[in-house]
Amino acid sequence: GAGVSQSPRYKVAKRGQDVALRCDPISGHVSLFWYQQALGQGPEFLTYFQNEAQLDKSGLPSDRFFAERPEGSVSTLKIQRTQQEDSAVYLCASSLGHTKNSNQPQHFGDGTRLSIL
Amino acid sequence: RKEVEQDPGPFNVPEGATVAFNCTYSNSASQSFFWYRQDCRKEPKLLMSVYSSGNEDGRFTAQLNRASQYISLLIRDSKLSDSATYLCVVNNVGTASKLTFGTGTRLQVTL
Repeated sequence: GAGVSQSPRYKVAKRGQDVALRCDPISGHVSLFWYQQALGQGPEFLTYFQNEAQLDKSGLPSDRFFAERPEGSVSTLKIQRTQQEDSAVYLCASSLGHTKNSNQPQHFGDGTRLSIL
Repeated sequence: RKEVEQDPGPFNVPEGATVAFNCTYSNSASQSFFWYRQDCRKEPKLLMSVYSSGNEDGRFTAQLNRASQYISLLIRDSKLSDSATYLCVVNNVGTASKLTFGTGTRLQVTL
């Protein structure tokens, strides 16, 4: 497909379990972003990759959150020892641009809806 | 205080009405501004960028006032299909293009 693809679409896990969320960006897009969207709120930035380099992880809420993009394409967001407050929609976005070009539009995937029981 | 503030609504308007949304941002270093649209249980989609000179795209007009740190979106002749949440978004200098979103304003257009 031509858009950003995320999987799974829905994930239910028990508190304490580890989860892994996948993002397949638009082909050729250098920049990749992860956002967390709680119910009734706007998306909040988690982390940013330029190719395989994680240039900003200031939004990750705790050290239980880890993201990687080893080959500069697909990215995985991992949450260890999940807590109920981790329940949210996790959105991935990609853009063509490099750091200095902030006007490149970000294209979002459908998101993964994570529910922690 | 949140960095981007919006009235969450909902705004309930009849079809054909004109509706305006406002947004304020707190970081004077913000350099790029956008309106995104998000339908229920869907991803945000870029509606339009916002420029200091103001810009128009069909029925939609966006304005930016840097001095007041204020952004607006005007929708004329609203359609049922305009019903969605409208997210005010800024990008700040030196933040590697990460977007900062408001909570969104919900619009419901009715017959």
